Amino acid sequence: GAVVSQHPSRVICKSGTSVKIECRSLDFQATTMFWYRQFPKQSLMLMATSNEGSKATYEQGVEKDKFLINHASLTLSTLTVTSAHPEDSSFYICSASLGNPQYFGPGTRLTVL
Amino acid sequence: GQQLNQSPQSMFIQEGEDVSMNCTSSSIFNTWLWYKQDPGEGPVLLIALYKAGELTSNGRLTAQFGITRKDSFLNISASIPSDVGIYFCAGQLSSGGGADGLTFGKGTHLIIQP
Repeated sequence: GAVVSQHPSRVICKSGTSVKIECRSLDFQATTMFWYRQFPKQSLMLMATSNEGSKATYEQGVEKDKFLINHASLTLSTLTVTSAHPEDSSFYICSASLGNPQYFGPGTRLTVL
Repeated sequence: GQQLNQSPQSMFIQEGEDVSMNCTSSSIFNTWLWYKQDPGEGPVLLIALYKAGELTSNGRLTAQFGITRKDSFLNISASIPSDVGIYFCAGQLSSGGGADGLTFGKGTHLIIQP
């Protein structure tokens, strides 16, 4: 149980384009989903907290207009990186929670050329 | 954002040896978790701790939630090759059924020499 999937696993895009990443909880309904970012050889940093049917809460320094989060159902949250630039290249990982603990997806490697 | 102080940063050990790593924080957390991450993958939950002083085992892994709620350690006994990876501690302000984001340590890179 507690399986979380992400799609796509890898994406390469041109600078200025937008990229959508999906996060799904496959065998449970997640009341809350989280989005983290991990740069090479670094730890995970929380970007935002997403609750179904309400606006996401963003961490300090994370631009909400650049990283659009939609949490349309209890099993799906999407992160859209708008007007991506090379500095947005990173490993984006979601997690899902039904209370505690959080279970993580396999991550999405974004490379912006 | 805040990060937890995790040590050691890396460990080179022989197969069969025991491993110990720890995490400290300047502030209190009410939940401590330990995850393992393999290259290019998401973190996998190893142990979750919800009560100060709690000592929990998962096979060869044992973790404790410090009494002060500002630290935790993870021990791995009799290491095997598949234990290789990066281990992260994570703290969460909420306890039990809470749902807030995690604050991660910088990770301990475990390397096992056969």
